[in-house]
Formats: sequence, structure tokens, C-alpha cells
Amino acid sequence: NAGVTQTPKFRVLKTGQSMTLLCAQDMNHEYMYWYRQDPGMGLRLIHYSVGEGTTAKGEVPDGYNVSRLKKQNFLLGLESAAPSQTSVYFCASSYQPDTQYFGPGTRLLVL
Amino acid sequence: AQTVTQSQPEMSVQEAETVTLSCTYDTSENNYYLFWYKQPPSRQMILVIRQEAYKQQNATENRFSVNFQKAAKSFSLKISDSQLGDTAMYFCASWYVDSNYQLIWGAGTKLIIKP
Repeated sequence: NAGVTQTPKFRVLKTGQSMTLLCAQDMNHEYMYWYRQDPGMGLRLIHYSVGEGTTAKGEVPDGYNVSRLKKQNFLLGLESAAPSQTSVYFCASSYQPDTQYFGPGTRLLVL
Repeated sequence: AQTVTQSQPEMSVQEAETVTLSCTYDTSENNYYLFWYKQPPSRQMILVIRQEAYKQQNATENRFSVNFQKAAKSFSLKISDSQLGDTAMYFCASWYVDSNYQLIWGAGTKLIIKP
């Protein structure tokens, strides 16, 4: 039981490049989330999903897109990366929406 | 707006001592949950303890316990017999039925356990 895994662990992008972050969970959770964490701050919700095939915007969705084609996977896309998107990205999943379990994080640096 | 406040940016204690981390929150909701998460240097966000607001009994998990004061909107975390592995950032967070599925986070307290 791996829990929540994230790929890649670290990535460097140039401004304008695109990339996709992959989140996978093996707990059969309905709910999945993408957060970003900036220095000295708590996490902020980017997008979330309440089930396969559904997605919704969180607090800071601009510049990101997501897809949940399979229940166990939640993808976060950056179409045209900007330096302001330099951050640590966390994926989480939950059986009920309140108690969320987190992946190890992806550190993204945009130059 | 719902807010969570952690007033202690950093704390340090000697190994084996007891330490209490403070958290206050602001809400007009009745149905909510409160959490403490631990983030060690590895950056993994680990759930430490969970408290349901409708339960009066304070949650405990081994050496970790909370003091939940609903009227005062206070939710402190007590770590007993602290260990070097407890060194981490600790975040207090809340979740409300009407929060649009979002956890509301405090800014965190950096806890250092000294040998």
C-alpha cells in the first residue's frame, strides 16, 4: 500500500514550457486535491476532484489545468510555466472530504 | 472568512520535555473538523491528529494530544516525551462543510527538539 505518490519529485522548467505532474493513490479514495506551498505559508488549494471525471477550481486555479480520467490518478498541468509558479506542489486524497492524506510533494523551479 | 492562526513561529525544547503548540481559529460554522499536520525536513505532510468539533472529548494519538476549547476557538497540540524525530513544521488546519473542500491552514510553527 503506497498511499499517495507523486511524479516527478523535482523539476526545472524554463518560462513558457509546459509539464504535467502526476498523482496516484491506491486507497480507492473518491476525493483528490492539488495544493501548492510557498515559503512561510500554509498550503493553498489549486484544483480538486470529487470523483472520476469531475474537477473543480480551488483558491488559486489560474495557470493550471487538471484531469481525473481514472479514479486513482489526478493530473496537474502547467500549459505555459511562469516564475510565479515556482513552488512545492502537494497532491492529497481522501475517502471523506475532511481528512486528507498527502503525497511527498513535487518541487518545481521555473527559471 | 474562515481563518486559522498560529502565533508561535518557532519553538525549541529539550528532548523528553513536553511542548504545547497553539492554534486559534475563527468560524461561525457548527460542523467542522480540526487537524494538526507535521511536515519534517523531508517535506512530507503527515496527519498527526484529527478532532471533530461535535465531540467534546479531546483527541489523542500516542504521545500527541489536543486541548480543544470550542467556546474559545482554541485547538492546541501537546507533545509529550518529545523526541528528536518530532523536529518539524507543525500546521494547524480546519475543514468546514461549506469550505468548498478546502483545508484552511495556519502559517505553521517550527518545532526544534534539542538533544
